[in-house]
Amino acid sequence: QQQVRQSPQSLTVWEGETAILNCSYEDSTFNYFPWYQQFPGEGPALLISIRSVSDKKEDGRFTIFFNKREKKLSLHITDSQPGDSATYFCAAGGGSNAKLTFGKGTKLSVKS
Amino acid sequence: GPKVLQIPSHQIIDMGQMVTLNCDPVSNHLYFYWYKQILGQQMEFLVNFYNGKVMEKSKLFKDQFSVERPDGSYFTLKIQPTALEDSAVYFCASSPYEQYFGPGTRLTVL
Repeated sequence: QQQVRQSPQSLTVWEGETAILNCSYEDSTFNYFPWYQQFPGEGPALLISIRSVSDKKEDGRFTIFFNKREKKLSLHITDSQPGDSATYFCAAGGGSNAKLTFGKGTKLSVKS
Repeated sequence: GPKVLQIPSHQIIDMGQMVTLNCDPVSNHLYFYWYKQILGQQMEFLVNFYNGKVMEKSKLFKDQFSVERPDGSYFTLKIQPTALEDSAVYFCASSPYEQYFGPGTRLTVL
């Protein structure tokens, strides 16, 4: 049973465009949703996170939109840069220091 | 951001041998985790650890696995004996609340 789903599996955008990465979940007890960026051969790096009490979180070019009713969230990367090319993982957790359940990731390629 | 270190970066061993993976968590973090990532797949939770105790473990955390952090030193994952299906990248994480991950140890069991 896959509790966190991500789409698309891969995404290619041009430099300067907005990339939209989607995530959905099943477990209504999840209340914390971090996004991680992972480059090949490296560990995942925390990019931005949101808690279920909020519907939007913005940090520079990265914005999370969260719809609790539909159990969906999305990561928007505006003004995409070639350096943003990486795999992005959506994760979900049930509270402070609880385990994270990860999606399978979206591989983003930004072409210049 | 905060840095979690993992030693070694790569480990190749024969099936049936014991292996210990080491994690140096962020100094003021109190919660520690191990995750397993098979090539091309998502990361999967193995275990978390707080105040010297395992808090939760998944079905992937087999009886052959153990964790400890003796006297505030490395947080370790020991596998004894290893099996072919243990080949993966193992990531350590630590947190005050948000989890910060290390670079991983690639374990190859032959």
